[in-house]
Amino acid sequence: KNEVEQSPQNLTAQEGEFITINCSYSVGISALHWLQQHPGGGIVSLFMLSSGKKKHGRLIATINIQEKHSSLHITASHPRDSAVYICAAPWWETSGSRLTFGEGTQLTVNP
Amino acid sequence: NAGVTQTPKFQVLKTGQSMTLQCAQDMNHEYMSWYRQDPGMGLRLIHYSVGAGITDQGEVPNGYNVSRSTTEDFPLRLLSAAPSQTSVYFCASSRSPRGFNSPLHFGNGTRLTVT
Repeated sequence: KNEVEQSPQNLTAQEGEFITINCSYSVGISALHWLQQHPGGGIVSLFMLSSGKKKHGRLIATINIQEKHSSLHITASHPRDSAVYICAAPWWETSGSRLTFGEGTQLTVNP
Repeated sequence: NAGVTQTPKFQVLKTGQSMTLQCAQDMNHEYMSWYRQDPGMGLRLIHYSVGAGITDQGEVPNGYNVSRSTTEDFPLRLLSAAPSQTSVYFCASSRSPRGFNSPLHFGNGTRLTVT
């Protein structure tokens, strides 16, 4: 069982559509991360947030601490947004603590 | 700044061979870590380090060794490669311990195949 759940697993959209990717986690957190993995495999950090909303260009990330839920929105999607989007949250267990990652959402934006 | 440099990009090993994946960062980050990425699973932590001379096990450490003799370098050693270690490996660094409160910076990944 993954402590961080993402939905949907796969998402296909037409260029210009508004995209939403969801992330649910099971424990209280200090900050939640959103990452983007390019088709070539490289991973970059998009956002790190612990409350409210952050915006960078056409990307918006929101978090609801009480509901343990975060969303990543892409406005006016473009084929270059095609990538895997991954959320990650801290996880604590008896052996220590670590970031735990969702399985990712594969986004394909068609022209 | 080069960020996180990870080599090699691709590697094919035979079962039982050993090898070292190199990772270096030039951001003076104390926290460095190694992950493996397998289909249908999220990134999983192999080993991590919170500073030079300090390493610890992550979620899936068996079959791997690490050392941290300098702040910049954090190599991952496969002692005796097994087909189960076929995966994509990522090195990452962060300004904050365990990457909890600062962005993670990733290397470009190493695709390892063990036959």
